[in-house]
Amino acid sequence: AQSVTQPDARVTVSEGASLQLRCKYSYSGTPYLFWYVQYPRQGLQLLLKYYSGDPVVQGVNGFEAEFSKSNSSFHLRKASVHWSDSAVYFCVLSPTGNYKYVFGAGTRLKVIA
Amino acid sequence: DPKIIQKPKYLVAVTGSEKILICEQYLGHNAMYWYRQSAKKPLEFMFSYSYQKLMDNQTASSRFQPQSSKKNHLDLQITALKPDDSATYFCASSRDRNNQAPLFGEGTRLSVL
Repeated sequence: AQSVTQPDARVTVSEGASLQLRCKYSYSGTPYLFWYVQYPRQGLQLLLKYYSGDPVVQGVNGFEAEFSKSNSSFHLRKASVHWSDSAVYFCVLSPTGNYKYVFGAGTRLKVIA
Repeated sequence: DPKIIQKPKYLVAVTGSEKILICEQYLGHNAMYWYRQSAKKPLEFMFSYSYQKLMDNQTASSRFQPQSSKKNHLDLQITALKPDDSATYFCASSRDRNNQAPLFGEGTRLSVL
């Protein structure tokens, strides 16, 4: 069965610090992977997606993620966070590349001054 | 302006009643979906429609019935409401079923008392 694990339910970082949000997936094939962000009282917005090729993918607002098949991971990174990055981040797996998403539980990021 | 409109944003219902959640998209998309986000579970896929036809149903209960009166509409009727139905329901859409990364609406937060 496919699954996504985000081991950190909450992460707090200082503004200007670097960030890594962890994501591990379980899937026997080659996955399609996404990161979405959910700001308070809003819907989900796509940050970035990985299908194949370069394991480091760039997204919006300075976010990037690195795919590792050997580690079954797809960690999200940002070099310098801003207070406006405070939100919930979801790692998402799509075994077939379409809408049948498998969501992680989400990581709530809090950026403090 | 939001391209996927969900109404209402907040909804309170009594156990045993029936409610309809509205979703309209103005993106010209042919595929629409419903997802559910509850406190107890990660966000999960419920239904997919393509050209107004039901394509996938991953909701076990027949109390949840999607309704598509127009190509750009996909409402969700929920009957015999239970407190466990309390969740945020997200509508999403994409150009077609094979298109990656659907766009999400802002959700309808349903509370069943």
